[in-house]
Amino acid sequence: EDQVTQSPEALRLQEGESSSLNCSYTVSGLRGLFWYRQDPGKGPEFLFTLYSAGEEKEKERLKATLTKKESFLHITAPKPEDSATYLCAVQASPGGSQGNLIFGKGTKLSVKP
Amino acid sequence: DAEITQSPRHKITETGRQVTLACHQTWNHNNMFWYRQDLGHGLRLIHYSYGVQDTNKGEVSDGYSVSRSNTEDLPLTLESAASSQTSVYFCASGPERGPSTDTQYFGPGTRLTVL
Repeated sequence: EDQVTQSPEALRLQEGESSSLNCSYTVSGLRGLFWYRQDPGKGPEFLFTLYSAGEEKEKERLKATLTKKESFLHITAPKPEDSATYLCAVQASPGGSQGNLIFGKGTKLSVKP
Repeated sequence: DAEITQSPRHKITETGRQVTLACHQTWNHNNMFWYRQDLGHGLRLIHYSYGVQDTNKGEVSDGYSVSRSNTEDLPLTLESAASSQTSVYFCASGPERGPSTDTQYFGPGTRLTVL
């Protein structure tokens, strides 16, 4: 069964304290892995798509990496505005042109000033 | 600016009533999706559509239906609302082709309470 597990469930950091969020997955064939950010009361906001092991993408203080079994979202020198829930999702292939994203339960990140 | 909107943002209804949640996108995306988000479960796919007149069942489709009569809209109908359908509902859309082929963009959500 295709599955996505995110850890930790919650993470508290001091401003400037770098850390990583983990997303481990088991799928029959990976079409893509996605990271989203979700603020309270809002819809998920797209961050990154990773397609193959070894791929890396960066956006401001965030860097996403992908291996054959997991992805990491590295947060460098976080600020309070980085506080949010970070969601990981995978799309297995074959899965049509889209659809059937399998989401993890998310990691709630809190950054204290 | 192109966007995706959902209405209403909040809805309270009674058990057994029919409820329709609206989703409208102005990106001209072919693909549209409905998810529900519950504590402890994450986002789960209800229904999706790859284009006009196309609809498909997702993981948790029982008690829900959708129809796609145009590119912009994918309304979600709860035929007879149940307390187990109390949740936050998100609509998403995605381009069928292009550099971001597989990316889905989410609306702001509808919080539904069934009493």
